[in-house]
Amino acid sequence: GENVEQHPSTLSVQEGDSAVIKCTYSDSASNYFPWYKQELGKRPQLIIDIRSNVGEKKDQRIAVTLNKTAKHFSLHITETQPEDSAVYFCALNFGNEKLTFGTGTRLTIIP
Amino acid sequence: DTGVSQNPRHKITKRGQNVTFRCDPISEHNRLYWYRQTLGQGPEFLTYFQNEAQLEKSRLLSDRFSAERPKGSFSTLEIQRTEQGDSAMYLCASSPLGSSGGALWKYFGPGTRLTVT
Repeated sequence: GENVEQHPSTLSVQEGDSAVIKCTYSDSASNYFPWYKQELGKRPQLIIDIRSNVGEKKDQRIAVTLNKTAKHFSLHITETQPEDSAVYFCALNFGNEKLTFGTGTRLTIIP
Repeated sequence: DTGVSQNPRHKITKRGQNVTFRCDPISEHNRLYWYRQTLGQGPEFLTYFQNEAQLEKSRLLSDRFSAERPKGSFSTLEIQRTEQGDSAMYLCASSPLGSSGGALWKYFGPGTRLTVT
């Protein structure tokens, strides 16, 4: 079935440190794994995505890793800054067009 | 602003009333999606269109909900006989057809926040 688990639900890190959020899934047909950032009262914004034929993708301070064998993918934010504070959602497709989202991680960067 | 737009941004209605929301996608995007997001949760898929054709509907979309995209451009989502449980943020997203034939990446609009009293 369509199931994606996201951990942790809340995460606090000191400014400058790294943050890692992990999602696990069950359907091996998934081939697209985006991450969205949502600030309070605003729309989800796509920050990075990865496809199943790639193991890692990096964009400046943000990276996503994918382990298809273990069925998990992770978001890595390095050198965190206060503006990184937000709720982050992983998502994936289960072999179709729609996205199923994780339950979200509230990231707080402590100055 | 060439992004996805939605109107209204906020809607307060009394239980039992009908409401209609509008979404204008990015102009060159063929795919249009409706999602619903309740407080503290991730967005949940409701339905999507490719051009004017409605291709998939979630079981979350009860018979009180109807969506249209008559000319393959903007879309409307109507909720009839609103219930308090319908209170949520209704998000529209659009995406282009990818070279592989699948349109996976999505850009969300600002959402319409519905409050049913």
